[in-house]
Amino acid sequence: DGGITQSPKYLFRKEGQNVTLSCEQNLNHDAMYWYRQDPGQGLRLIYYSQIVNDFQKGDIAEGYSVSREKKESFPLTVTSAQKNPTAFYLCASSMGQGNEQFFGPGTRLTVL
Amino acid sequence: GIQVEQSPPDLILQEGANSTLRCNFSDSVNNLQWFHQNPWGQLINLFYIPSGTKQNGRLSATTVATERYSLLYISSSQTTDSGVYFCAVGGNYGGSQGNLIFGKGTKLSVKP
Repeated sequence: DGGITQSPKYLFRKEGQNVTLSCEQNLNHDAMYWYRQDPGQGLRLIYYSQIVNDFQKGDIAEGYSVSREKKESFPLTVTSAQKNPTAFYLCASSMGQGNEQFFGPGTRLTVL
Repeated sequence: GIQVEQSPPDLILQEGANSTLRCNFSDSVNNLQWFHQNPWGQLINLFYIPSGTKQNGRLSATTVATERYSLLYISSSQTTDSGVYFCAVGGNYGGSQGNLIFGKGTKLSVKP
């Protein structure tokens, strides 16, 4: 089945710890994205990557880091510098930037 | 940056009723998508519609790009239509070409 997978589904973290969220796609898409959603709000762009080994900051990149070593994978690290990391994180991909985006099922991160 | 406004913010319908959701945006766009977020958080693609009209079963959408709005029509609503509907737009805005900007959504509740 073609699609986007994210893991884990739920993640709990203690303050001061870094945590990495996984995003994998088998759609052969070039572009990948990470968004954050807070309760009752729309999605906001954290980072995006148009091609392997390249990525750009989105609107709320502070406290996050990414890598794009493989076309299929775009992991997101939430660092201890992120002041309010509790949120729902969604990964997306598209054929190219500007094309229709498709989303994974999301990861709910809670900082205890 | 571009502003995306969705209305109404909340909508309660009786099963079988029709509804229209609106998305206004403040600049020209080359990408517009409608999504349905189900109770588990999954974003489901409804339409990719930067201009024109499309229909898919009981749902249809129209984007009038020159007047900077899009409409999502839901006919004969069902309880499974409940959830949050998001409009997201993309365009050539500085360094973020093609990235999606999300509205805050319309929360739809369909009562049996």
